[in-house]
Amino acid sequence: DAKTTQPTSMDCAEGRAANLPCNHSTISGNEYVYWYRQIHSQGPQYIIHGLKNNETNEMASLIITEDRKSSTLILPHATLRDTAVYYCIVSRGSNYGQNFVFGPGTRLSVLP
Amino acid sequence: DAGVIQSPRHEVTEMGQEVTLRCKPISGHDYLFWYRQTMMRGLELLIYFNNNVPIDDSGMPEDRFSAKMPNASFSTLKIQPSEPRDSAVYFCASSLHQGAGERANTGELFFGEGSRLTVL
Repeated sequence: DAKTTQPTSMDCAEGRAANLPCNHSTISGNEYVYWYRQIHSQGPQYIIHGLKNNETNEMASLIITEDRKSSTLILPHATLRDTAVYYCIVSRGSNYGQNFVFGPGTRLSVLP
Repeated sequence: DAGVIQSPRHEVTEMGQEVTLRCKPISGHDYLFWYRQTMMRGLELLIYFNNNVPIDDSGMPEDRFSAKMPNASFSTLKIQPSEPRDSAVYFCASSLHQGAGERANTGELFFGEGSRLTVL
């Protein structure tokens, strides 16, 4: 069974906040939530990660529910360059190899 | 820093030929990963190394695939003989893991631009 569930695709208007949900109801206590994105024809790019507290960096904010069964990645002011596939990953870490799984992700289209 | 460097960016070859893909990780990183991406199967981890030692190669599809990391700054992924179903984008990634406790592993993988392989 997949460890994460994401919508297949989403649209967002340029300049508006993009909120990308991820369900991970079977997350273990020592597993982090990671977000990556892949812009067409490029390698995936790390965005943010968290364990149980909300996190923010220059790219995005990560909101994790108190029960840790779901999370939301927020791009506060989406631009056309944010059009990409966004991957939510639940894992102890990338150094756990096959435990670090990129699913199909959410294809975000930022519209002018 | 130049980032993870992969070569070639594009390779077109005929079935049965040997293919060698190359990767230079970010200096100082202690983990190196090889991924393959196709439309049908998405991003798949093939193999990864820690301090030049292969840790898990369970994702390598078959014996035609082999990977080496002779030193900390270079790795190769070889396919011999190549088949049309090997056509994909192959990504190399590296990461650094240090410290201890909750923040010891950032999980931040740095990916290269990929090598697009087409086997005719």
